[in-house]
Order: sequence, then structure tokens, then C-alpha cells
Amino acid sequence: EPEVTQTPSHQVTQMGQEVILRCVPISNHLYFYWYRQILGQKVEFLVSFYNNEISEKSEIFDDQFSVERPDGSNFTLKIRSTKLEDSAMYFCASSIFRGHQPQHFGDGTRLSIL
Amino acid sequence: TQLLEQSPQFLSIQEGENLTVYCNSSSVFSSLQWYRQEPGEGPVLLVTVVTGGEVKKLKRLTFQFGDARKDSSLHITAAQPGDTGLYLCAGAGAAGNKLTFGGGTRVLVKP
Repeated sequence: EPEVTQTPSHQVTQMGQEVILRCVPISNHLYFYWYRQILGQKVEFLVSFYNNEISEKSEIFDDQFSVERPDGSNFTLKIRSTKLEDSAMYFCASSIFRGHQPQHFGDGTRLSIL
Repeated sequence: TQLLEQSPQFLSIQEGENLTVYCNSSSVFSSLQWYRQEPGEGPVLLVTVVTGGEVKKLKRLTFQFGDARKDSSLHITAAQPGDTGLYLCAGAGAAGNKLTFGGGTRVLVKP
């Protein structure tokens, strides 16, 4: 069964450094998402992306964050200058369409900021 | 801001018993998805409910979407140890771009 894949599974970075999290969504899906889950807290929406542009973003997704689909398969989340509070699990998801279509999640990248 | 509250947060039962997990909101959702998440993994989709009052069954799991599309429940019949895990509900807003997640219900089924 097709799945969303994320790399790396764990990323350790010094505070202030840039980090890029990578995702390969399911191949025929058109909508892509990033969520994060801080330890012990709810899964939170960060951003949705369609047709090479952001369709919606949350308050969390400030100027330090950016997303890109650099080619036909990858979808990336960049954090320019990481902060301690960016430490979390970051999940990528994709769906065929939006609305009633289910979102399928990858296994996440654990980001640890030192 | 849309919020989803799940209850209970934790449920421990014996094998063979039934259980129900609730997901409630004051907001209307266009659809609601139930996921199961294992430690170290991403949420795995169980079901999507779309229509108010809709009931879906997945083997021993029964999912219901409230008539007003503000709440949902997951009922497990004759629970088995393999049902142990974290169950998450997530609602899609009108635009359908984002999911709002509940806090999760951790289920433990003891043999």
C-alpha cells in the first residue's frame, strides 16, 4: 500500500541552525501538509500546500518556517533558525483532494534542538 | 478556533469487554477522521465519517458521527489486546485544508 515517507527519522541540531525535513508524499496525491507534535501535547497543524503554493497556515508557521516542493516527489519543511521550542515530532501528510478526503501520515521526524 | 476534546484520556479494560471513546466539539466539522497511533509512528487512518448521523463499522470497531457533525464516538466490541494503542480523532474544517486533533485516548486491553 502506498505510504508517505519521511527522512530523517531523527534530527539533532544546535539552536540557531537551519534544518530541512523531507517528505515523499503518496504519488497521486495533490495536497500536502505538515503537522507537529510537541511531547505530551496534541498534534498541531502547521501548513497545507497545493499547486506549488501555501493554501493555509497556522499561527505557529511564522517567518522562520518555509515549505517547498523542489521536484515532482519531495516536499520539504525548512526551519531557518531553530529554537529550543521547535523540538517536536514533525509529521508530513498528503491527501488526494482536500475536504472529505482522508489525510495519510508519515512516521514523522523527531527534531531535537540542543 | 476549533477545538476537539476526547474522553476519556486513558482507558484500561479486560479482554472481551466493550469500550467507547468520545470526541466532542462546539464547532461543526465537514468530516471527522479517526486514527490509531503506535509509539514512534505516525497516525494511521482507521475511518473517515462525513455525513451527520453516519455510522461506519470496521470489524469490531463502530464509528458514529453526530447528527450536528460536532461530535463522534468510537465503540470497540469485545476488545482484544491487539486493540491496545492511542486513538485520535481529527476534524476537518469547512475549507478542508487542516485537521484539528483531539488529545487522544490511550486504550489498554489486558489479557
